[in-house]
Amino acid sequence: DVKVTQSSRYLVKRTGEKVFLECVQDMDHENMFWYRQDPGLGLRLIYFSYDVKMKEKGDIPEGYSVSREKKERFSLILESASTNQTSMYLCASSYWLIGLASRGEQYFGPGTRLTVT
Amino acid sequence: KNEVEQSPQNLTAQEGEFITINCSYSVGISALHWLQQHPGGGIVSLFMLSSGKKKHGRLIATINIQEKHSSLHITASHPRDSAVYICAVRSTESYNTDKLIFGTGTRLQVFP
Repeated sequence: DVKVTQSSRYLVKRTGEKVFLECVQDMDHENMFWYRQDPGLGLRLIYFSYDVKMKEKGDIPEGYSVSREKKERFSLILESASTNQTSMYLCASSYWLIGLASRGEQYFGPGTRLTVT
Repeated sequence: KNEVEQSPQNLTAQEGEFITINCSYSVGISALHWLQQHPGGGIVSLFMLSSGKKKHGRLIATINIQEKHSSLHITASHPRDSAVYICAVRSTESYNTDKLIFGTGTRLQVFP
């Protein structure tokens, strides 16, 4: 059974703290993604990675960084947490898209609800 | 204007009703996904479509590439179908990655 796990379901941090969110997948997927989900805005891509040590900015990378030192692990870092980063954070993974006929489904973790006070 | 629009935003139904959720998109796509998110956050992939129609149990997804439109149908709805249903597309500009563009979701509540 495929699995994407995230380090915490709920997290409360103070403004200015450095926050680490970890995501681990056991499917040997090349692609990994970090999203945030806010009411009325849907899922928005923060960063993604298509290989170890590779990363690409998504639509809203400001205030975030990422790290992918191992294929199975993708970390999201909030360098200095702010209240506007209070959100649900979702990690996902997929295998490399070979062509249009590939399945390319994304598998999601359970999410981390982060509150910054 | 969002590149992926879903309608309706909210939907309530009585158990047993036939349900349709619509998704329209404005970009060229290589695939369209339907996702389900239950309260608590976890998202599950229901379908990935690039043409035609797919069926899984009581769920049916169709896509019309020319009209840039997809529908998700639920037959004989049940309270356990209550969830947020999300449409997402992989644009042809993202053909070498797996980046998706998401709709804002349709919240479905099915009452007994």
